[in-house]
Amino acid sequence: DAKTTQPPSMDCAEGRAANLPCNHSTISGNEYVYWYRQIHSQGPQYIIHGLKNNETNEMASLIITEDRKSSTLILPHATLRDTAVYYCIVRVNKAAGNKLTFGGGTRVLVKP
Amino acid sequence: GAVVSQHPSRVICKSGTSVKIECRSLDFQATTMFWYRQFPKQSLMLMATSNEGSKATYEQGVEKDKFLINHASLTLSTLTVTSAHPEDSSFYICSASLWGDEQFFGPGTRLTVL
Repeated sequence: DAKTTQPPSMDCAEGRAANLPCNHSTISGNEYVYWYRQIHSQGPQYIIHGLKNNETNEMASLIITEDRKSSTLILPHATLRDTAVYYCIVRVNKAAGNKLTFGGGTRVLVKP
Repeated sequence: GAVVSQHPSRVICKSGTSVKIECRSLDFQATTMFWYRQFPKQSLMLMATSNEGSKATYEQGVEKDKFLINHASLTLSTLTVTSAHPEDSSFYICSASLWGDEQFFGPGTRLTVL
């Protein structure tokens, strides 16, 4: 699976949009971009995934650049409960073994 | 989304004892379950992949005789840490998926070995 690069940490203001970048310049054509988050001392939680089109669900929006070498996760109105480590992962969907390789992630702190 | 549970949520044991951690998919049948380990302030590291009814596939560097994995049914996988030592203290997380689809994670088990 392709390697991803994320900033180690970022602060966000409560109520404002949080934009989390991810670089995946070696992504292959059949690899999807996944985002998970992990709140302290809990298991990871799935947020969203996409292949090349922008995606939106009740939690977040995912913007993937046209060349697919980077993406941005947008939390439209950050709350204190969004404080967590956010992981950007690229992998082949429904692949044998279905492994998820977690990098360092971005530690997001939402401040009042 | 699908619910995955783990039991126990916390366990403290003496060095040299064995500890069993259960991972259950509560509302779906999981053909594949994964076990991860996470040390403080580090990311999740995949330990092994287990498919129902077959032997687990361990990642490089993970001792299969120390971390015994059993996936006897489509809703239950167990991880047994044998002869635990303080360096095995960690946060153990399982996930479950159906036919290579999305992974759903359990809440984790914090193991402390004294």
